[in-house]
Amino acid sequence: DAGVIQSPRHEVTEMGQEVTLRCKPISGHNSLFWYRQTMMRGLELLIYFNNNVPIDDSGMPEDRFSAKMPNASFSTLKIQPSEPRDSAVYFCASSLALMMWGVETQYFGPGTRLLVL
Amino acid sequence: KQEVTQIPAALSVPEGENLVLNCSFTDSAIYNLQWFRQDPGKGLTSLLLIQSSQREQTSGRLNASLDKSSGRSTLYIAASQPGDSATYLCAVRPYTGNQFYFGTGTSLTVIP
Repeated sequence: DAGVIQSPRHEVTEMGQEVTLRCKPISGHNSLFWYRQTMMRGLELLIYFNNNVPIDDSGMPEDRFSAKMPNASFSTLKIQPSEPRDSAVYFCASSLALMMWGVETQYFGPGTRLLVL
Repeated sequence: KQEVTQIPAALSVPEGENLVLNCSFTDSAIYNLQWFRQDPGKGLTSLLLIQSSQREQTSGRLNASLDKSSGRSTLYIAASQPGDSATYLCAVRPYTGNQFYFGTGTSLTVIP
């Protein structure tokens, strides 16, 4: 398996522009997570999906952030409009939750480094 | 809300030394705890996962212990090697929900 795939790996954009980050989870996994990592705040969970349905988006910082999972093999995280404080590394992770409290390991993608100027 | 703390934030040891990394969490109602490794510029790689009913897990030179009642976990690395240099993060999963709460990590440097 190729693992969790994220694109782009690096993104540099100007303040006010729309940014779309993409994630392909591991085939067969039913849970998908979006995280943001910064030096100041560490690794923060933004949102997670179970069977393509958003379960908890309480970590999404503002309405400028939105996430979708139209099918089991693809998810996007969109920032519109972007701001310099959004600069961070964004990780996608997936897991196989066998039941609500199943035993699973999260597998992380390589991340997208976002720089908003 | 669950808070996860890792001390120290950074650690530097000579090669061959045994070392312990610490993780503490505020809410003992956890389903499992996981230790991850992160190399610079890379994603996270799972090292060990301990279920709440377990006391420890071992993989090679790594041993992770869990004391739920005191809200602590330790990661023991035996005979450290320069290749062990990385940031180590612990994460806890509560009984409700599918998310993990991460610590801020310990940056380990093993000096040859």
